Amino acid sequence: DGGITQSPKYLFRKEGQNVTLSCEQNLNHDAMYWYRQDPGQGLRLIYYSQIVNDFQKGDIAEGYSVSREKKESFPLTVTSAQKNPTAFYLCASSRNSGGTQETQYFGPGTRLLVL
Amino acid sequence: EDKVVQSPLSLVVHEGDTVTLNCSYEVTNFRSLLWYKQEKKAPTFLFMLTSSGIEKKSGRLSSILDKKELFSILNITATQTGDSAIYLCAVEALLSGAGSYQLTFGKGTKLSVIP
Repeated sequence: DGGITQSPKYLFRKEGQNVTLSCEQNLNHDAMYWYRQDPGQGLRLIYYSQIVNDFQKGDIAEGYSVSREKKESFPLTVTSAQKNPTAFYLCASSRNSGGTQETQYFGPGTRLLVL
Repeated sequence: EDKVVQSPLSLVVHEGDTVTLNCSYEVTNFRSLLWYKQEKKAPTFLFMLTSSGIEKKSGRLSSILDKKELFSILNITATQTGDSAIYLCAVEALLSGAGSYQLTFGKGTKLSVIP
């Protein structure tokens, strides 16, 4: 079945540690996105990528980094510079054909907790 | 700055009631408005609306967009306990200078349906 997978489901980070969240899709979608969800707030865009080897900062990119070496994969690294990383992280993808954006489909999410 | 405001923030109804969820927005270069249902984890797509006045329906759920007044409503008739979730509204708009689109999410409406 086609879909988006995220791993791990739960992730614990120690102070000063970098951690990487995985996002893979087999939908042949061009565009991929990372969002962060905090209680009582809407989803906020961290980074997005419209094509392989290219990505753009979203609204809250500080303390995060991404790579897009393959169409299917868009890992997110939460660096030690991110002072408040505890949140629910959602990855999404869309077809993004012809310069316009299709509906985004979401993965199951990763919950990051700081020890 | 683009804004998406949902109301009410939370709502408790009895099974069988009809509910209306609201979403108003202020964005430049509007393209579409989307509704998502978020239960335990990741949001699932419900509707995409691009044209004013055209109702979209899926079972007991329906939605309509008013591009003049800049709002959308999501109606759920004959509610069931399985409708309990957070309903997210998102607006897709063109990012100026970037040639790509971004989704801005509202904070969501938490709907609780009690037997």
